[in-house]
Amino acid sequence: AQSVTQLDSQVPVFEEAPVELRCNYSSSVSVYLFWYVQYPNQGLQLLLKYLSGSTLVKGINGFEAEFNKSQTSFHLRKPSVHISDTAEYFCAVSDAWFGNEKLTFGTGTRLTIIP
Amino acid sequence: GAGVSQSPSNKVTEKGKDVELRCDPISGHTALYWYRQSLGQGLEFLIYFQGNSAPDKSGLPSDRFSAERTGGSVSTLTIQRTQQEDSAVYLCASRNRGGTSGNNEQFFGPGTRLTVL
Repeated sequence: AQSVTQLDSQVPVFEEAPVELRCNYSSSVSVYLFWYVQYPNQGLQLLLKYLSGSTLVKGINGFEAEFNKSQTSFHLRKPSVHISDTAEYFCAVSDAWFGNEKLTFGTGTRLTIIP
Repeated sequence: GAGVSQSPSNKVTEKGKDVELRCDPISGHTALYWYRQSLGQGLEFLIYFQGNSAPDKSGLPSDRFSAERTGGSVSTLTIQRTQQEDSAVYLCASRNRGGTSGNNEQFFGPGTRLTVL
């Protein structure tokens, strides 16, 4: 069984300030890791993913995340946020095998950008 | 090209009624998923279809929930005898399962918001 923990349910950040959204996971097998963003009244959009290789992953909209196997973490960062980054962010994992790759999600972090 | 579409976008029903939710995946995508997003449970996997293989129904919360995928394309999620705890946003996603595992993104639809009164 897998689980994902997003400790921060809400994160307020001033515009142009840096942000880090935390994600920790638990799994008995190797995993793939994902961050999704959900803008108000919209579906989920993939921000970035870690499959293998370099532990620093760059995604869309200036976001990046670092996979840390020893700490079982996959924190999301952005050096300077914009008003348009206001959204809910979900961390997710799936088994790293050629199976159905169903996603197990965290509870989400609501990022609010303060002008 | 068109993304994943879902209908209806909103559905209000009375407790005890049956509802059907529809998902049109991206053309050519062989894998289809249903997830549920609710205040109490967050985002949960419900069911997975891949080609002609038997679906993975391990996430369905009760036998009132069922789903079909006809012709390897459109899928319908049916909830019988709806209960208030079924109120949630039901999300569909599709994926092109060809290629290296994990490389193929799940594309999500906008969801159907179900409210059971």
